[in-house]
Amino acid sequence: DVKVTQSSRYLVKRTGEKVFLECVQDMDHENMFWYRQDPGLGLRLIYFSYDVKMKEKGDIPEGYSVSREKKERFSLILESASTNQTSMYLCASSQSDTQYFGPGTRLTVL
Amino acid sequence: AQSVTQPDIHITVSEGASLELRCNYSYGATPYLFWYVQSPGQGLQLLLKYFSGDTLVQGIKGFEAEFKRSQSSFNLRKPSVHWSDAAEYFCAVGATLFGQGFSFIFGKGTRLLVKP
Repeated sequence: DVKVTQSSRYLVKRTGEKVFLECVQDMDHENMFWYRQDPGLGLRLIYFSYDVKMKEKGDIPEGYSVSREKKERFSLILESASTNQTSMYLCASSQSDTQYFGPGTRLTVL
Repeated sequence: AQSVTQPDIHITVSEGASLELRCNYSYGATPYLFWYVQSPGQGLQLLLKYFSGDTLVQGIKGFEAEFKRSQSSFNLRKPSVHWSDAAEYFCAVGATLFGQGFSFIFGKGTRLLVKP
């Protein structure tokens, strides 16, 4: 079975802090994705990566950056967290046509 | 533009009753279509997918979905709902993104409530 893990299930940070969300997949997938999920808005793509050190902006990249130094790991970085970044963050990986999701990180920014 | 619409934000059904969740898509080519389920506090789990061939696809947990090109729909069905089916359901269409990899457009979800 494909396994996608995220470093934290729940995280509480203060405004202005730098926040790292980590995602690891164990199936040697090429593609990895970061979404945020908010009530009534569904899933919105923040960034995705189709290879090591490669990244592409999704629909809502503002306020975020990403890092992919190794194939199995894809990190989402909030350079200076703000309250409007309080959300559920979901990581996913895929080889081609099916995405597999991690359990999510619920981030609260105070 | 590509889009996915799930017209129903909430649906309530009685346990044992049949279920149909609606999904309409807008996509220029033959779509790759998916249904995912999200239990409270969890990530998304793939229920089923359609790429080509038989337009009625079977998935896990007794779910099925039917692709109707003429209606641009991919509705999810289950003949008899169980209390454990209470969750949020997402329809998605797959698209090749910038010729690299494969990305997904998700609907906003339908929350299913099951009455005892």
